[in-house]
Amino acid sequence: AQSVSQHNHHVILSEAASLELGCNYSYGGTVNLFWYVQYPGQHLQLLLKYFSGDPLVKGIKGFEAEFIKSKFSFNLRKPSVQWSDTAEYFCAVNNYGQNFVFGPGTRLSVLP
Amino acid sequence: GAVVSQHPSWVICKSGTSVKIECRSLDFQATTMFWYRQFPKQSLMLMATSNEGSKATYEQGVEKDKFLINHASLTLSTLTVTSAHPEDSSFYICSADPGKGENGELFFGEGSRLTVL
Repeated sequence: AQSVSQHNHHVILSEAASLELGCNYSYGGTVNLFWYVQYPGQHLQLLLKYFSGDPLVKGIKGFEAEFIKSKFSFNLRKPSVQWSDTAEYFCAVNNYGQNFVFGPGTRLSVLP
Repeated sequence: GAVVSQHPSWVICKSGTSVKIECRSLDFQATTMFWYRQFPKQSLMLMATSNEGSKATYEQGVEKDKFLINHASLTLSTLTVTSAHPEDSSFYICSADPGKGENGELFFGEGSRLTVL
C-alpha cells in the first residue's frame, strides 16, 4: 500500500522567511501528486498538482513544488511567506484508479 | 474550480441519536464521492467510497452499520452516523470526483464538525 510522509509536524517562521515543506511517498508506479492547504476554519483547497511534464510545478499564491522521481519526493516551497500563509498543509498522492492517500499534514505558523 | 458543499457545517447531538450529513456537488456530477474523518491535528482518514446507485465501499475498520452512506443521485451523498457516541465526535469531510478531464483531482466540502454529548 502506498503511504505519504511529511517531514515536519509544525513549522514556525517569521514573515518573509523562505519555506520548504517535505513530502515523500512510497509507490513505485506512476502517481499524481498534490498539495492541499486548509486555512483555519476553512475547507481543503488545492495549492498545486503534478501529473506529468515539467517536474517544477507552480501553484497559487506563489507556491511551487518540485517532483523528484528518484527521491519519491514532492517538496513544497515558497520564497517569502506571509502571515496569511498560516495553515495546515497536506501532501497527497493518487495513483490511477486508486484513492487519495494523504500525508499527516504540516502546520505552518507565520509570525507577523 | 468545482464546488462541493456540506451541510450542516456544525452539529451537536445527544448520545444515542443519529445525525445525517449531506455532501453536494453544486456544479458538476460526481459518480464517486469520498468520506473522510479528521481527528484534531491529524490527517484525513478515508472512511468510505460512495458510488452513485450502488453500495458504498468501506475502509477496513469502519463500521458499515454505524456510518451509513447513501449516494442516491449524481450530486448528493449522505453520511448518517447512527446511535452516535462521544467517540464519534470528529470533523467529517467529503470530496467528489468530477471524473474525466480532471486528472484525478478531488474537490472537497467545507467539512462538518460533529460533537456528541
